[in-house]
Amino acid sequence: LAKTTQPISMDSYEGQEVNITCSHNNIATNDYITWYQQFPSQGPRFIIQGYKTKVTNEVASLFIPADRKSSTLSLPRVSLSDTAVYYCLVQTGANNLFFGTGTRLTVIP
Amino acid sequence: GAVVSQHPSWVICKSGTSVKIECRSLDFQATTMFWYRQFPKQSLMLMATSNEGSKATYEQGVEKDKFLINHASLTLSTLTVTSAHPEDSSFYICSADWQGNTGELFFGEGSRLTVL
Repeated sequence: LAKTTQPISMDSYEGQEVNITCSHNNIATNDYITWYQQFPSQGPRFIIQGYKTKVTNEVASLFIPADRKSSTLSLPRVSLSDTAVYYCLVQTGANNLFFGTGTRLTVIP
Repeated sequence: GAVVSQHPSWVICKSGTSVKIECRSLDFQATTMFWYRQFPKQSLMLMATSNEGSKATYEQGVEKDKFLINHASLTLSTLTVTSAHPEDSSFYICSADWQGNTGELFFGEGSRLTVL
């Protein structure tokens, strides 16, 4: 079961790009990397998923180096509403998901 | 995306009573649903995996007789907290696997249980 390590917290000013890096040294060949966002008193929400290189969608980009031992979630031009906890998970399918500590992002006006 | 709904969103009960929380997949069928518990300022912890038509699989340390899980249909799983005590007060969240082995999960809104 691959575990992840992320910074506990980060602060950023509005309008800046935020990069959150996650370490997953024991990632397995079949594992995908998935990031979720959670607001207080809500369930997590899927942000992005990738296997290797770069993935981009309408809200974020995910950068994965060739060795796949880490990944970086990039949030362009954050706003106050992006204040949340961001979780990085490595998973094969939907079973045995392990949520690490997550990164508490605070966006400052 | 797929929608997962929980009910109730919050509930207050007296110690010793039982509380049932429902988790529904609204626009897809989910053979597998997952139940998590989250204490304040902490991460989600997987409690059990709910399988339609069979017994749930509980994580180590989770009492199956206290947290009863029933997955009677492809769109509904229920979690019943039996003989609730104040230490059971927590945020309970369910999720369902929409796309099979891709692992993209959709989570319910969560249910906050407060036991007095």
